[in-house]
Formats: sequence, structure tokens, C-alpha cells
Amino acid sequence: QMQLQESGPGLVKPSETLSLTCTVSGGSISSNSYYWGWIRQPPGKRLEWIASIFHRGSTYYNPSLKNRVTISEDTSKNQFSLKVFSVTAADTAVYYCVRRPLILHGGAFDIWGQGTRVTVSS
Amino acid sequence: EIVLTQSPGTLSLSPGERATLSCRASQTVSSSYLAWYQQKPGQAPRLLIYGASTRASGIPDRFSGSGSGTDFTLTISRLEPEDFAVYYCQHGTFGQGTKVEI
Repeated sequence: QMQLQESGPGLVKPSETLSLTCTVSGGSISSNSYYWGWIRQPPGKRLEWIASIFHRGSTYYNPSLKNRVTISEDTSKNQFSLKVFSVTAADTAVYYCVRRPLILHGGAFDIWGQGTRVTVSS
Repeated sequence: EIVLTQSPGTLSLSPGERATLSCRASQTVSSSYLAWYQQKPGQAPRLLIYGASTRASGIPDRFSGSGSGTDFTLTISRLEPEDFAVYYCQHGTFGQGTKVEI
């Protein structure tokens, strides 16, 4: 059973860079069957897709965040990562890493990490 | 950008009752990519329905999805205590959620 686990700092200062990593177990991120991505949920707000990556580096970004985020993969560690630059209080959220099948499940997000809470505050 | 609007915001029901949740898209969307998720407090969302009407693996048959075009529905035929949660629809973007409470 594939599992995803987020890691990263719980507190980031305004204007700094938030870095999160998702470690995948029970399967390979090099698979051609899945996208890997990040979704966040600010307090009291709806879920927001941030970015996705497909093996060999094809990346996709939410246009509203595209200029401030980067998603990348490290196949040697079976991990993928997210960086959010110049964070503000609006970036405070629970961040989830997710799997999205290329074909199966209608492209829905079928596996989620447990989530990691990030607070932006000085 | 497609906006998904869910109604009602909160649904107050009792165990054994039927729950009907609505998701309306701001423009016609492909039902092939319409999904529903369940989220309990402190947990990640869980995929319930994809392709508007197909239950994900392990999801009980009391959950059903329907709809097409701009209007989609999630129905829980008989609420179990563990079904009280927040439900989100998704087609690219997510709806704002419907809370099903006792």
C-alpha cells in the first residue's frame, strides 16, 4: 500500500522560503502512471491545488501561485518537494502531498499524505 | 477558472437519514473528472467518488454520486455515525465544502 509523508518546518518567517518534502513509500515516483503534487488548505478556506510533477520533470502550477512556487523530484530518495518563496501570512495552511493517477480514478487525487501544518509568522 | 459552489453549507441530520449534497459548476464540466472527497477533523481528505458516479475502492455502497453538465449530487442513503464530516467536490478546483453534522 503506497503511503505519502510530508516533512518540513511548522513555522516560517514572512518573506522567507517554505520548503516541504514528500517521501513516498510502497511505490516509485518514477512510475509513468502518476502525477505527484501538493494541495493546501488555509484555515477555514477551501482546498487549493498548488502544483504537480510528472516523472522526468514535467511540472504544472496553479496560475495564481506560479511565480512563487517550485516543485521538484528526487528519484534517488523517492521524494518530491515544494518550495514557496516570499511567504506571507496568506500561505499559512495545512499542506498535503498527493498522488494523482494519469488515467485511473478519473484523475482524482487518490492518495493523500496526512498533512503538515505550516504557520507563517515572525 | 471554473468555480464550484456547494450547498448547503451545513446539513444537520440524524443517523439513518438520507443526505443529499449539491455541487454546481460555474460552467459545463466533464463528469469524467468530477470527484467527491470526505474529510474528518484532523485528517486528510479521502477520495469517495470519481468520474461523478464511481465509488473509490473500499467506499460503502451507501455513498452514490450522480449528475452531469453543471449540477452534481452526492447522496448518502443512510447516515452512519462515521459519515458526519465535511464533503468536497472537485473538478480541478475544489468546492467550499458541505459539513454534515448531527
